[in-house]
Amino acid sequence: NAGVTQTPKFQVLKTGQSMTLQCAQDMNHNSMYWYRQDPGMGLRLIYYSASEGTTDKGEVPNGYNVSRLNKREFSLRLESAAPSQTSVYFCASRMTVSNYGYTFGSGTRLTVV
Amino acid sequence: KNEVEQSPQNLTAQEGEFITINCSYSVGISALHWLQQHPGGGIVSLFMLSSGKKKHGRLIATINIQEKHSSLHITASHPRDSAVYICAVDVSPDMRFGAGTRLTVKP
Repeated sequence: NAGVTQTPKFQVLKTGQSMTLQCAQDMNHNSMYWYRQDPGMGLRLIYYSASEGTTDKGEVPNGYNVSRLNKREFSLRLESAAPSQTSVYFCASRMTVSNYGYTFGSGTRLTVV
Repeated sequence: KNEVEQSPQNLTAQEGEFITINCSYSVGISALHWLQQHPGGGIVSLFMLSSGKKKHGRLIATINIQEKHSSLHITASHPRDSAVYICAVDVSPDMRFGAGTRLTVKP
């Protein structure tokens, strides 16, 4: 009963470094999402994957790339980290793109110095 | 202006009080969600509703589609209810989130 598993939980990067945030779900969900959460703001969508083999940009995609590796896994990559990418990142999944509840991962707190 | 507005931003209550958190939205939606985020950071889905009212234990969620408004009520509040409560609306394929209401319940 793992649900949505995100790794790592914490990360500190130097400006310009790259890293990949991993997300895996074991609920056979079709749709997966990456959000960022900043103080005083609602969660904002970075990228999503409506189904295996498809990915689409969300509200704030600049500086990020994603890969839907298979139905279970959806990774988020920062190619050249910037201080503006300091945030808490959440992966989420649900059965289809509409009218089903989300299951969220526990979050990754990323600091870029 | 945000598409989803929550009020109040912060709320402090004494244990046992009745709590109401409000959410207004300005877009057409297929469903509305209430989420709970504890200090540890994890986000849990409390309710998904598209009409009327739902109840789970001491939590009640209502929605008025015509007025584009939803409320989350907590009866007999308890310190363990202290968390951030987030309203989100389904605008498929995405959701739009409010900034959250930080609730503190004091013993």
